[in-house]
Amino acid sequence: DSGVTQTPKHLITATGQRVTLRCSPRSGDLSVYWYQQSLDQGLQFLIHYYNGEERAKGNILERFSAQQFPDLHSELNLSSLELGDSALYFCASSVGRQSYEQYFGPGTRLTVT
Amino acid sequence: AQTVTQSQPEMSVQEAETVTLSCTYDTSENNYYLFWYKQPPSRQMILVIRQEAYKQQNATENRFSVNFQKAAKSFSLKISDSQLGDTAMYFCAFMRRSGGGADGLTFGKGTHLIIQP
Repeated sequence: DSGVTQTPKHLITATGQRVTLRCSPRSGDLSVYWYQQSLDQGLQFLIHYYNGEERAKGNILERFSAQQFPDLHSELNLSSLELGDSALYFCASSVGRQSYEQYFGPGTRLTVT
Repeated sequence: AQTVTQSQPEMSVQEAETVTLSCTYDTSENNYYLFWYKQPPSRQMILVIRQEAYKQQNATENRFSVNFQKAAKSFSLKISDSQLGDTAMYFCAFMRRSGGGADGLTFGKGTHLIIQP
């Protein structure tokens, strides 16, 4: 158990819908990263938040957005869902701005039908 | 931009054997970190080992060790005395140091390692 929690574990929804994935980092970790794992694209970095502020964006679609709240949990919002958004979404946390070890949560499996 | 290449989609060895997984990367950065992550059937991503590019000494964690060749941009993982629980997808990953860890990890496509009893 990495100490990072993600909810829900599984999510099934229809095309065009909007969903929110939630992540709670390890106690004391200020950074949260979001990744997408799909058969087509492999593992891709989406976005990074540090202590409530966005630090870096990766291959994140405009239909996707994220935020980190004062209690440090983070949410990834996916809207106008398409079949190709079906994937495993991970969040990972690390201690601070310059910590290079990331600890992954168990992931949320999103299925878009 | 960085790229990470794992040229072995799948490998299979007998229990107790030693196996080496290959990884090459391309970057113009001089300071960076390299990682191996393990993803068992449970899908959990587990950090196996980390290597700082500025350290010449190869990292070791129990049965896991790396062969880091900076000039060749090669970072292979050796698993000694392999066990059934080592069966998993193994991902090589890169992170540049200059970004302060901001950019996230760049992953290879993975190698599916199967340990046969």
